[in-house]
Amino acid sequence: GIQVEQSPPDLILQEGANSTLRCNFSDSVNNLQWFHQNPWGQLINLFYIPSGTKQNGRLSATTVATERYSLLYISSSQTTDSGVYFCAVGNSGAGSYQLTFGKGTKLSVIP
Amino acid sequence: DVKVTQSSRYLVKRTGEKVFLECVQDMDHENMFWYRQDPGLGLRLIYFSYDVKMKEKGDIPEGYSVSREKKERFSLILESASTNQTSMYLCASSFGQGPYEQYFGPGTRLTVT
Repeated sequence: GIQVEQSPPDLILQEGANSTLRCNFSDSVNNLQWFHQNPWGQLINLFYIPSGTKQNGRLSATTVATERYSLLYISSSQTTDSGVYFCAVGNSGAGSYQLTFGKGTKLSVIP
Repeated sequence: DVKVTQSSRYLVKRTGEKVFLECVQDMDHENMFWYRQDPGLGLRLIYFSYDVKMKEKGDIPEGYSVSREKKERFSLILESASTNQTSMYLCASSFGQGPYEQYFGPGTRLTVT
């Protein structure tokens, strides 16, 4: 199956700093999503981005499908950005719609 | 807005009990999924369903079964709960046949004692 690696595993930032989270995957995909898991366990959809670039406020994401990686940028970080960020990928061409998740990046933003 | 709800946020059961976890989505999605999340292991797919009464095993189906009698509802059943099934269970849904965005419920934290 597809392997997904996220880096770094842990990240501590001062409030106001910028960061880049990376997701590498081992095979071609036609589905890629970024999630933020809040302290209560809920997975919040950030981006659906199998290719290209998207922006939503202070967050943006870029996926280069041909090189098998995606990046999540967080600018001017806030304490509410703390939590775990997951990248998940899938390939429906294999006949399955499931997502394979990376292990996540745990972000802590300190005041 | 897509809404996926799960029957309980926290659940405590005893070893050997039969446990039902229910998930309901309100967007008429064809696909529904059950994942479990464990520290160090991430999220892993247990079962998914692409239509009413249809189901497919995921990566870790052992010890679980599922039921989908109505399009909006997908149930995960632990026939005889064991302590190694203590985990966070997350339900998700997505539209149609293809690489569509998945939406998750709030999760159920199950403890089996």
